[in-house]
Amino acid sequence: DGGITQSPKYLFRKEGQNVTLSCEQNLNHDAMYWYRQDPGQGLRLIYYSQIVNDFQKGDIAEGYSVSREKKESFPLTVTSAQKNPTAFYLCASSMEGTNEKLFFGSGTQLSVL
Amino acid sequence: AQRVTQPEKLLSVFKGAPVELKCNYSYSGSPELFWYVQYSRQRLQLLLRHISRESIKGFTADLNKGETSFHLKKPFAQEEDSAMYYCALVNAGGTSYGKLTFGQGTILTVHP
Repeated sequence: DGGITQSPKYLFRKEGQNVTLSCEQNLNHDAMYWYRQDPGQGLRLIYYSQIVNDFQKGDIAEGYSVSREKKESFPLTVTSAQKNPTAFYLCASSMEGTNEKLFFGSGTQLSVL
Repeated sequence: AQRVTQPEKLLSVFKGAPVELKCNYSYSGSPELFWYVQYSRQRLQLLLRHISRESIKGFTADLNKGETSFHLKKPFAQEEDSAMYYCALVNAGGTSYGKLTFGQGTILTVHP
């Protein structure tokens, strides 16, 4: 079951702490995305990256940061500025020119202690 | 702003009955519409897209630009169709490059 891997599966954050969620893909995809999933609200885009060393804010970027130093990796940091971080986080990737078919990871559940 | 609405949070049908999952959208440009599905303990995955005009696992969806709808239909539901279904939209112009806007999702349960 390769493709796109997210870790850890479960993560707990203390008040004032930054935490980083990992996302790695071996599909040779150019584009990568982070979505947040809350009950009853569907998926909302946090950040996306179309190419290495470039990324763009999505609809709910406040309190989050990302980096794209390698094509395979797109880590998401949930900073202490994110006041409501408890959610299920999904990472996805897609090939250039196929802007609709996203491949998703299995997700990370982040909870606040 | 683009928006996707799935009015039903939960939908229950019996095996063999027809099923329709509703999806309405608002978008000023030219959209591409998709249905994604998440089966129990599996990853979210693409089910079908309107430009392909294909039937996947017996499901079809027709884009109705007049009614701004993209309802997902299947004439005879099966128990294995039970899952979470998301309708999604992207700018067909390509500049949004995979920035999908998702609906809230509908949990479909097919009873034996």
